[in-house]
Amino acid sequence: DVKVTQSSRYLVKRTGEKVFLECVQDMDHENMFWYRQDPGLGLRLIYFSYDVKMKEKGDIPEGYSVSREKKERFSLILESASTNQTSMYLCASSLYGGGGEAFFGQGTRLTVV
Amino acid sequence: QQQVKQSPQSLIVQKGGISIINCAYENTAFDYFPWYQQFPGKGPALLIAIRPDVSEKKEGRFTISFNKSAKQFSLHIMDSQPGDSATYFCAATLQGAQKLVFGQGTRLTINP
Repeated sequence: DVKVTQSSRYLVKRTGEKVFLECVQDMDHENMFWYRQDPGLGLRLIYFSYDVKMKEKGDIPEGYSVSREKKERFSLILESASTNQTSMYLCASSLYGGGGEAFFGQGTRLTVV
Repeated sequence: QQQVKQSPQSLIVQKGGISIINCAYENTAFDYFPWYQQFPGKGPALLIAIRPDVSEKKEGRFTISFNKSAKQFSLHIMDSQPGDSATYFCAATLQGAQKLVFGQGTRLTINP
């Protein structure tokens, strides 16, 4: 069974903290994604990566960075957390050229206070 | 041009009724249109998908209708059941592109 695992279900962090969200997939997928989910706004792409050490900005990259040192792991970094980054964060993976199906993790609910 | 617009934002349907969710897109180069279903506390999962060379695809109670000239596609859930209560996202992608563009989501509630 395919699996995308996010390291935390819930996180509470303080304004200004550096925050790491971790994601691991076991499907040997080339592509990995970080989305942010907010009510009424759908899923907005923050960053994605199609290979190790490769990354591309999505639609809302400001305030975020990413790291992909190994194929199976994709990390989202909030350099200095702010309250407007309170949200649900979803990691996903897909095959390169695989037709578009993405497999999602269960999500991390981040609250910045 | 990269946007996908989804409506309604929320929908309440009686058990046994038909649920209909609509999406519209601008980019005529999109060539893959999936629908994702998300239950509370879970990530979205692929439900059904269509390519623009067909006008309809059916899988069980779920049907995608696709209108290429109008640049619209919709999800129909026949005989809706309480277990169908979830958030539904439409999406689109370009051939050769690696990322999906998602609609805003529809929270569907099926009343028993």
